[in-house]
Amino acid sequence: GIQVEQSPPDLILQEGANSTLRCNFSDSVNNLQWFHQNPWGQLINLFYIPSGTKQNGRLSATTVATERYSLLYISSSQTTDSGVYFCAVGPLLVFGAGTILRVKS
Amino acid sequence: AAGVIQSPRHLIKEKRETATLKCYPIPRHDTVYWYQQGPGQDPQFLISFYEKMQSDKGSIPDRFSAQQFSDYHSELNMSSLELGDSALYFCASSLGRNNEQFFGPGTRLTVL
Repeated sequence: GIQVEQSPPDLILQEGANSTLRCNFSDSVNNLQWFHQNPWGQLINLFYIPSGTKQNGRLSATTVATERYSLLYISSSQTTDSGVYFCAVGPLLVFGAGTILRVKS
Repeated sequence: AAGVIQSPRHLIKEKRETATLKCYPIPRHDTVYWYQQGPGQDPQFLISFYEKMQSDKGSIPDRFSAQQFSDYHSELNMSSLELGDSALYFCASSLGRNNEQFFGPGTRLTVL
């Protein structure tokens, strides 16, 4: 089956800093989604991005399908950005192990 | 906008008991998925339904069964519960089988 690798596994940032999270996948996919899991366990949809680039406020994402990777950019991080960021690829979503982000004030 | 609804949000059961989790997809979504997330783990796909028919099966134990009803809501039935079934169970829905999936808030099941 499809393998999904996320890096880094852990990341600690000072408030206001920028970061890049990476997702590598082993096969061609027709669905790629980024999620933020908050401390209460809810999975929040960030991007549906099987290819191309999208931006939403301080967040943006790029997927290069031909090279089988996706990047999530977080700019001007805030403490509320803390949590686990998952990349998942499909059609039936296979999740990576996630990146645990801690933003300190 | 309407989101995926799951009930109950929390459930506590004893070993060997049964549990039923319910999922109400976003209106007009025809595909429902179930995922299980153990403590400290990533979500794992269990089973999916498209237009009320089972479409794909993942790592769902034989003790679990699910169905999608005529109004498109889905139920996950879990029998002979084990301690290892303690997890967060997510339902997701999409319009069509290969499109963006939207997740519900999850049901946190604790088996004692």
